[in-house]
Amino acid sequence: GAVVSQHPSWVICKSGTSVKIECRSLDFQATTMFWYRQFPKQSLMLMATSNEGSKATYEQGVEKDKFLINHASLTLSTLTVTSAHPEDSSFYICSARQGEFVNTEAFFGQGTRLTVV
Amino acid sequence: AQTVTQSQPEMSVQEAETVTLSCTYDTSESNYYLFWYKQPPSRQMILVIRQEAYKQQNATENRFSVNFQKAAKSFSLKISDSQLGDTAMYFCAFKRGRNAGNMLTFGGGTRLMVKP
Repeated sequence: GAVVSQHPSWVICKSGTSVKIECRSLDFQATTMFWYRQFPKQSLMLMATSNEGSKATYEQGVEKDKFLINHASLTLSTLTVTSAHPEDSSFYICSARQGEFVNTEAFFGQGTRLTVV
Repeated sequence: AQTVTQSQPEMSVQEAETVTLSCTYDTSESNYYLFWYKQPPSRQMILVIRQEAYKQQNATENRFSVNFQKAAKSFSLKISDSQLGDTAMYFCAFKRGRNAGNMLTFGGGTRLMVKP
């Protein structure tokens, strides 16, 4: 299957700083990428849908000014957590789809564990 | 909006036995896809099996099979000959239509423990 690489896998940052998480599709072009958040022992909650070259679509309740998403190319999307606080500590997962109307499978990155201290 | 419900937060099964995980969903869509994902302790999401709603035949992937009951909006996963490596969180997911931009809606998950 296609490979989605997420970096970093694990990051600790101080409260008030910003953290950038990268999501790359290594062997395919991802028209659409998705960003999820997962709290311990809970399911994945969609934060936003990112389309290459356009603004991300955020789910209700997700602060777009706090979680900045950039999808500048067909192989890279970034999530920046701005002015991070301890409550932002979570597991963030990206996924990507190849093309449109062709492949219904979503490929997932390995996730990023963010700890804000 | 679509909802996906997994009514079993935790399950356990003896190695080599068979276990069935339940999933129900609610939608008014006629064209959709259903998935089961596995999330082992590494947290990497792995696709286990998928089912197109327009196909009546239940999908099968080696030891994994589904019982898709469209009228009942039920999509259960059967794991045969359970192995220790099957220990993981399992998520049922729904995607409407064929547009790649449509998101996945996940159920709450079932934690499966395979005991030796």
